[in-house]
Amino acid sequence: NAGVTQTPKFQVLKTGQSMTLQCAQDMNHEYMSWYRQDPGMGLRLIHYSVGAGITDQGEVPNGYNVSRSTTEDFPLRLLSAAPSQTSVYFCASRYQNRGSPLHFGNGTRLTVT
Amino acid sequence: DQQVKQNSPSLSVQEGRISILNCDYTNSMFDYFLWYKKYPAEGPTFLISISSIKDKNEDGRFTVFLNKSAKHLSLHIVPSQPGDSAVYFCAASAAYNFNKFYFGSGTKLNVKP
Repeated sequence: NAGVTQTPKFQVLKTGQSMTLQCAQDMNHEYMSWYRQDPGMGLRLIHYSVGAGITDQGEVPNGYNVSRSTTEDFPLRLLSAAPSQTSVYFCASRYQNRGSPLHFGNGTRLTVT
Repeated sequence: DQQVKQNSPSLSVQEGRISILNCDYTNSMFDYFLWYKKYPAEGPTFLISISSIKDKNEDGRFTVFLNKSAKHLSLHIVPSQPGDSAVYFCAASAAYNFNKFYFGSGTKLNVKP
């Protein structure tokens, strides 16, 4: 059981470049989400999805796009990277019930120069 | 403005003693709280949770206390072990949108042998 898998582990982008961070889970979780972790700020929710075809915004959605075409995958797209998007990104999933905790991937460290 | 705050960035404790990690929240609608533990280069892993209908929840060496009137929760680890050295995040969600979790900025616990 792989759990939540994120690729790549590390990425360096130049300002204005685009890229997609991949996230896949094999636990048949309905809910998937993306967080960013910045020093002194904890984890902040970017976007989340409660099922295929359904996405919604979190606390810090600007500059990021998501889509959910399958239950397993939830990619995060940066259309035009900015230095402010330098961060560690975590994907998390869970069953869609109140008592179910989030299961996190190991993160993608992104640097935008 | 952060709705969940961990005001101690770090804590150092001797092995075998009690570790107490604190967390405050501002949103009175939060009714479900979780603690996560994070090792370097890994994603956060779920530790323990508590619902607002309880004021205490135990799981082995870990106990979470909730004081709703003070909007405060704490995680007690007894006895502390060197393997407990990690960053601990508290998180909260509200019934009106339990798809959004709000995280604190984390407390780095160092348990000295």
